[in-house]
Amino acid sequence: AQTIHQWPVAEIKAVGSPLSLGCTIKGKSSPNLYWYWQATGGTLQQLFYSITVGQVESVVQLNLSASRPKDDQFILSTEKLLLSHSGFYLCAWSPGTYAEQFFGPGTRLTVL
Amino acid sequence: GDSVTQTEGQVTVSESKSLIINCTYSATSIAYPNLFWYVRYPGEGLQLLLKVITAGQKGSSRGFEATYNKETTSFHLQKASVQESDSAVYYCALNIPGTQVVGQLTFGSGTRLQVYA
Repeated sequence: AQTIHQWPVAEIKAVGSPLSLGCTIKGKSSPNLYWYWQATGGTLQQLFYSITVGQVESVVQLNLSASRPKDDQFILSTEKLLLSHSGFYLCAWSPGTYAEQFFGPGTRLTVL
Repeated sequence: GDSVTQTEGQVTVSESKSLIINCTYSATSIAYPNLFWYVRYPGEGLQLLLKVITAGQKGSSRGFEATYNKETTSFHLQKASVQESDSAVYYCALNIPGTQVVGQLTFGSGTRLQVYA
């Protein structure tokens, strides 16, 4: 069975500090990977997607970046956090391009 | 752009009563969307509840049903008799086959269901 793990579970960071969030998928080779973000009271928005190692496409510009250094790993990062980055970050995978997506437990980020 | 509308932010229902959570969608593509219901139970991650990819078809899971109606562009979630354990946040979502953004799921704003005994 496939499992998806996100780290950390929660972060409290200062404005202007760097950030790195991670996601690992086990039990599935070459999955499509996605990052989503949900502001408090807001709607889930797709931020990035990746269909292969080393290739990441941006969907929404939020002064964030993403990388896929390994087949089973997806990283979300920024060098300088903004207050507007606060929210809930979800990693997801899918076996195909328009198949259902399976989500990780999420990381709650608070920027102060 | 594409959009999903869930009109109720919160629904409160007595146990064993019936439930409808409304979902309508708008898609700019000529392709018919794939439709999904996701659920987030308290303390848990977002999980797929059901999906339907063919207009006119019905999906079902855990006693919930939703029918893909392309005429009314709706995908309402229904259950005949809810239980306290159904209390959760429910999200309607769609993706459009063939769109430029790979696998992009467009979500509704979510409906919080509270079932009381």
